[in-house]
Amino acid sequence: SYLLTQPPSVSVAPGKTARITCGGNNIGSKSVHWYQQKPGQAPVLVIYYDSDRPSGIPERFSGSNSGNTATLTISRVHAGDEAVYYCQVWDSSSDQGVFGGGTKLTVL
Amino acid sequence: EVQLVESGGGLVQPGGSLRLSCAASGFTVSNNYMSWVRQAPGKGLEWVSVIYSGGSTYYADSVKGRFTISRDNSKNTLYLQMNSLRAEDTAVYYCARSDSAVAAFDYWGQGTLVTVSS
Repeated sequence: SYLLTQPPSVSVAPGKTARITCGGNNIGSKSVHWYQQKPGQAPVLVIYYDSDRPSGIPERFSGSNSGNTATLTISRVHAGDEAVYYCQVWDSSSDQGVFGGGTKLTVL
Repeated sequence: EVQLVESGGGLVQPGGSLRLSCAASGFTVSNNYMSWVRQAPGKGLEWVSVIYSGGSTYYADSVKGRFTISRDNSKNTLYLQMNSLRAEDTAVYYCARSDSAVAAFDYWGQGTLVTVSS
């Protein structure tokens, strides 16, 4: 089955840029979605189809996808961005959804 | 306003069964792709199952043959029938909506906790 690999944690100072990666075999050929989950809450979609932002999500959130790596970039990070971020794709070869293991973003 | 409300979680013994429900409002379940996603305590998200608008169903290997996804169009409700439950099925179960199989889960319920323990 298809595997997505994320770093367990990323730390960044307030006002700086955080980059969270999601690795997968030829992931650039797939549509990648990103979710933010805060403690005790359901996940929230922050980026869909690699780089599109749902309404209500700040422009500080952006995404890219090429080759074997997709990246979620959060600019001008502040404390409210602290959360676990998950990437997700649909694996058409197995007809199954796949999530990355999640990356905990810590704002120093 | 789109809303998804799960129910049916609880404590069940290993080997037992449970049926989860997800009541939808603000959209028509049968016109969308509806999924179940679970999260074990302190762990990450795990996709469980999907039912297509056309009725096709797919499952994660970990639940295939034990779980069944279905919907009741008259009640605009999604279900997950869980049989032969194991301790490792303990998790918060979320229902989620998407436009297609490859599309993102744009709406999520608040989740319902299933605990499998003797």
